[in-house]
Amino acid sequence: EVQLVESGGGLVQPGGSLRLSCAASGFAFSYHYMHWVRQAPGKGLVWVSRINHDGTNRIYADSVRGRFTISRDNGRNTLFLQMDSLRADDTAVYYCAKDRHDSGAYVGFSWGRGILVTVSS
Amino acid sequence: DIVLTQSPLSLSVTPGEPASISCRSSHNLLQSDGYNYLDWYLQRPGQSPQLLIYLGSNRASGIPDRFSGSGSGTDFTLKISRVESEDVGVYYCMQPARAPPYTFGQGSKLEIK
Repeated sequence: EVQLVESGGGLVQPGGSLRLSCAASGFAFSYHYMHWVRQAPGKGLVWVSRINHDGTNRIYADSVRGRFTISRDNGRNTLFLQMDSLRADDTAVYYCAKDRHDSGAYVGFSWGRGILVTVSS
Repeated sequence: DIVLTQSPLSLSVTPGEPASISCRSSHNLLQSDGYNYLDWYLQRPGQSPQLLIYLGSNRASGIPDRFSGSGSGTDFTLKISRVESEDVGVYYCMQPARAPPYTFGQGSKLEIK
């Protein structure tokens, strides 16, 4: 069974930094593309970033490019999101999501339970 | 960026009755491999999203056959043949066809009458 468990969220002041982690199990993590998606309180889903299976290709939403960095440690089956220069509008639940196998067909996203990040003074 | 427009944004359905949600894309989601890259997700209250349908019409593992997806190109529909109480939540369409960015519809909230 696919399991994705996010951690590292919490309260941070504007301009501060936070590092989210997503521990993966139940699948061959090192072969899968991975994403971060966020959801502001009472709002819809917004894609944040994607990393390919070996970390050599990373893409970002315009709203976070230059401030957020996605990375992964395939030896530890863990996905990361380094968030710098945080703003109030970054306040959201952040979800880790599993995408397709590098050499497989697309079969949709599997999601973690999410972690809340609150940016406030 | 591809814009996905869902309708209706809210629906109230009697248990046992059918329900239908539309998702219209600003761009063609039919790719050269012959597949329509459009997913449907359900977010139940207080939970994370759950995959229902991928590539337009493929039910995800464990999803009841009363859920079905159809459509091609720019017009897609999610249908629930007989709504049950557990179907309450917000339904989102999402396109992974032309990224970045991956984009979601606004969400359609289903409640039970």
